[in-house]
Amino acid sequence: KAGVTQTPRYLIKTRGQQVTLSCSPISGHRSVSWYQQTPGQGLQFLFEYFSETQRNKGNFPGRFSGRQFSNSRSEMNVSTLELGDSALYLCASSLQGPLNRGWVTEAFFGQGTRLTVV
Amino acid sequence: TQLLEQSPQFLSIQEGENLTVYCNSSSVFSSLQWYRQEPGEGPVLLVTVVTGGEVKKLKRLTFQFGDARKDSSLHITAAQTGDTGLYLCAGGRGSQGNLIFGKGTKLSVKP
Repeated sequence: KAGVTQTPRYLIKTRGQQVTLSCSPISGHRSVSWYQQTPGQGLQFLFEYFSETQRNKGNFPGRFSGRQFSNSRSEMNVSTLELGDSALYLCASSLQGPLNRGWVTEAFFGQGTRLTVV
Repeated sequence: TQLLEQSPQFLSIQEGENLTVYCNSSSVFSSLQWYRQEPGEGPVLLVTVVTGGEVKKLKRLTFQFGDARKDSSLHITAAQTGDTGLYLCAGGRGSQGNLIFGKGTKLSVKP
């Protein structure tokens, strides 16, 4: 079973530009979440899509947006890039469902896209 | 405010030593996961615990979920250099699809 695929792996952009990152989830997974990881803040949740609808959103400015297609593939877009947007962007494909007496979300991550803004 | 606090932040030990890392919160989680991440890669899921008081063993790794489902620990016996990495705990809340991550414990195991 193929894992989560993120493209591109590395990206260098200039301040003010915009960027689109892509994520293909594990086959059969309908939930895709995006996280930003920086040394200072750790992994921070951006947004989650389920069946083409944004279901949850983190505390990021409107410059960060995303979408999900009917085949569950997802893209995230960052407009008007700032130096502080430099980070590892991780996509996670989630399997959710009842397990024992709890509701479980298990996230399977791609390798990430390393974005550098100069 | 960080909902999940991990300690210690950094840990450097010799091969063969034992260690425990902690993940604490004032919030209750419906599930808790531990991940290991190597530089430049995405986190890899190690284990999921769901029931308060649950203990799971994965070879030399032992994971425990607190009785009140607010905290967890990861114990590694006889650490190996291959255990080096960033260990992250993440809490799930019911049917919400996102996880809340701690900042991680960076473990370095020296030969």
